[in-house]
Amino acid sequence: EVQLVQSGAEVKKPGESLKISCQTSGYNFNNYWIAWVRQMPGRGLEWVGIIYPGDSDTRYSPSFEDKVTISADKSTATAYLQWRNLKASDTAMYFCARPQGTDWDFEYWGQGTLVTVSS
Amino acid sequence: EIVLTQSPATLSLSPGERATLSCRASQSMNNIYLAWYQQRPGQAPRLLIYGASNRAAGIPDRFSGSGSGTDFTLTISNLEPEDFAMYYCQQRSKWLTFGGGTKVEI
Repeated sequence: EVQLVQSGAEVKKPGESLKISCQTSGYNFNNYWIAWVRQMPGRGLEWVGIIYPGDSDTRYSPSFEDKVTISADKSTATAYLQWRNLKASDTAMYFCARPQGTDWDFEYWGQGTLVTVSS
Repeated sequence: EIVLTQSPATLSLSPGERATLSCRASQSMNNIYLAWYQQRPGQAPRLLIYGASNRAAGIPDRFSGSGSGTDFTLTISNLEPEDFAMYYCQQRSKWLTFGGGTKVEI
């Protein structure tokens, strides 16, 4: 069974750094893209970026380029989303997601990680 | 970037009725690049339709998708109580973008 399990909720101050995780199981981690999606409170879905763990090919939405870093650890089958300088506007729920196959239609989702940035 | 505009923003219906949700793209694209997701409160999105008209695994046949070019439609026939939720379209023709969503409410 394919599973994506995300790390727990985080409360941080502006300027702090943070790395959240998406641990996967039930399939070959190297062979499927993993994406990150942001959902701000009461708002819609936004693509952050996506990584192919097999060769670390990583692509970012223009809105998030230079603001976050996506990475993957093949030894633990875990994907990461990282910030170096959090802002209050980063407060949101973040989901990881995996497609059915090679196309970017996302059938499998993590449960979400709530990130709150407040002074 | 392809912008997806969903309408209406809110659809007020009763169980048993039919829901018709629209997703319009800012430029023409191949059908295979359009998907629909359902999101219930407090839950992750769920893939309903991919390739504009193909139901994902386990999705009931009351959900159907259609359309081409710039105009796509999600139809939910005979609404069940669990279908009252947010619905998003998504394109992957040029990068990835979501529409703003349609809320189907009682």
